[in-house]
Amino acid sequence: GEDVEQSLFLSVREGDSSVINCTYTDSSSTYLYWYKQEPGAGLQLLTYIFSNMDMKQDQRLTVLLNKKDKHLSLRIADTQTGDSAIYFCALRDIKIIFGKGTRLHILP
Amino acid sequence: DTGVSQDPRHKITKRGQNVTFRCDPISEHNRLYWYRQTLGQGPEFLTYFQNEAQLEKSRLLSDRFSAERPKGSFSTLEIQHTEQGDSAMYLCASSHANQGDEQFFGPGTRLTVL
Repeated sequence: GEDVEQSLFLSVREGDSSVINCTYTDSSSTYLYWYKQEPGAGLQLLTYIFSNMDMKQDQRLTVLLNKKDKHLSLRIADTQTGDSAIYFCALRDIKIIFGKGTRLHILP
Repeated sequence: DTGVSQDPRHKITKRGQNVTFRCDPISEHNRLYWYRQTLGQGPEFLTYFQNEAQLEKSRLLSDRFSAERPKGSFSTLEIQHTEQGDSAMYLCASSHANQGDEQFFGPGTRLTVL
């Protein structure tokens, strides 16, 4: 079945860029997502990319997709304390397949 | 508030009891999904409906679990004879298949089985 892998933790200094990486096995998904989950809060769709795109930029967020290597990344520029959360990589055809999440910790 | 709502937000029950959760999707959304999220994991798909028809069920959905969406609007998820391993956050999402199909998630129901 489909599998989505991502590292569990990332620590970044405030003001630096954060890069969260994800690899996946399924190549039939149309949409690839990044969700954000803060403690006690619901899942928030952060950004997404269509499978026929290589890059998408949205303000401080840049998503890169390497279809050949089945690798998806999320770059957060100028990381702020409010970016501290768990970030889930996810794939969708109809249902969504989520990774286990990367906990982003911001160092002062 | 026109988002996805779930009730209750928290449920504590004893092992062996039955529990039922409710999800109210965004109005006019024809697809409704249930996911389960355990501690330290990402959400895992359980089942989804298109209108009132249940179109896919995960292997995670054992015989003790039953989901319904009788009128194609709200949905219920019942767990019979709860076990401690059922403790999790149960998330509901809805989407409109013909309008981008983006899934909007509710706040979840946190179940604790003692």
